[in-house]
Amino acid sequence: DGGITQSPKYLFRKEGQNVTLSCEQNLNHDAMYWYRQDPGQGLRLIYYSQIVNDFQKGDIAEGYSVSREKKESFPLTVTSAQKNPTAFYLCASSTPGLGGPDTQYFGPGTRLTVL
Amino acid sequence: EDQVTQSPEALRLQEGESSSLNCSYTVSGLRGLFWYRQDPGKGPEFLFTLYSAGEEKEKERLKATLTKKESFLHITAPKPEDSATYLCAVQAGETSGSRLTFGEGTQLTVNP
Repeated sequence: DGGITQSPKYLFRKEGQNVTLSCEQNLNHDAMYWYRQDPGQGLRLIYYSQIVNDFQKGDIAEGYSVSREKKESFPLTVTSAQKNPTAFYLCASSTPGLGGPDTQYFGPGTRLTVL
Repeated sequence: EDQVTQSPEALRLQEGESSSLNCSYTVSGLRGLFWYRQDPGKGPEFLFTLYSAGEEKEKERLKATLTKKESFLHITAPKPEDSATYLCAVQAGETSGSRLTFGEGTQLTVNP
């Protein structure tokens, strides 16, 4: 069954701790993305990666880090430097459209709460 | 800077009462406009991609249209199961793996 998986579904973090959110896809997509969603707001891009071993900052990268060692995996670390990490985190992936736009498909999300 | 504005923020309909959601955008070189449906606590579900003015796409009770400045998501004879937040996003530029800019969404509630 092809798709994008994120784990865990719920995550609780104490202040000062780093936590890592997992994102795996078996769609053979080249590009992967991390978004943050706050209540009543649209999705905001944190980081994205178009190929293995390469990634770019999005609009709100401060306090986050990523790696892309495998095509299938794009983990996101929320560091203690992120001042307000409580949010819903969404991972997406896409493959180049044939002369057209790249459609992104999303995982089920991870809800992170700082205690 | 790419911008997407969705209206209304919230819409309440009776079952069978047709309506439209609006997505206005400004982008340098539109590569694609996307509509997603999002249920509470879940990831967005892809609905449509549009990329040229005049284009229309349909799926069950939903029809998406595109002009040079906005897109509409028309909902015909909605049912309670159509209740969700509908997100609009644009993709600009010519390189693959381009980022999406999202609007804040329209929360649709369909009452039986």
